[in-house]
Amino acid sequence: EIVMTQSPATLSVSPGGRAILSCRASQSVSTNLAWYQAKPGQPPRLLIYGASTRATDIPARFSGSGSGTEFTLTISSLQSEDFAVYYCQQYNFWPPWTFGQGTKVDI
Amino acid sequence: QVQLVQSGAEMRKPGASVKVSCKASGYIFSNFAMHWVRQAPGQRLEWMGFISAENHHTKYSQKFQDRLTISRDASATTAYMELSSLSAEDTAVYYCARHDDVLTGTFDPWGQGTLVTVSS
Repeated sequence: EIVMTQSPATLSVSPGGRAILSCRASQSVSTNLAWYQAKPGQPPRLLIYGASTRATDIPARFSGSGSGTEFTLTISSLQSEDFAVYYCQQYNFWPPWTFGQGTKVDI
Repeated sequence: QVQLVQSGAEMRKPGASVKVSCKASGYIFSNFAMHWVRQAPGQRLEWMGFISAENHHTKYSQKFQDRLTISRDASATTAYMELSSLSAEDTAVYYCARHDDVLTGTFDPWGQGTLVTVSS
């Protein structure tokens, strides 16, 4: 099973600032990596797939990069609606599909 | 638009079973597999299992192999997740999620979640 590790656990950012979130896989997952955003009481929403492709209707301030075992989600110019928990997920080796433990982005 | 609507919150006693439904709309239900994922309090998202699109083949996480049943009804465009022998550790929010193997290769969209509480 591929273990996904995210850092940091919590990231405090000012509105308008930039957030850089990291995700590491226990072995290479190529670019089969997705990022999701989850807000309290809401389901996860797909942001990024293929490590760097934005999903439909996702603003350009969200960008993903990386391959192999190291991945980054960057949120530039944070808006109030961006404060949430972000999860990475690998879909290279399955089952099982596995998720990171999440990074909370707060003010 | 593509939408997954799940059944409401459930409360069960230890040892009981629970069945959660996931009603799909806005796409051809028979063309896409469906996953079930749960999140216990303070824990990460945990994949439980999925059911394929065409032949209804199922694959379960080893953790739930003995007590999980996933099914689907094409006529009702609904998927189901039934978990038996519940314990307090099964208290969690349960999500269905469509497997989008056409565009993204991953889970999109997700249902709104169903809280299952197991308590004596």
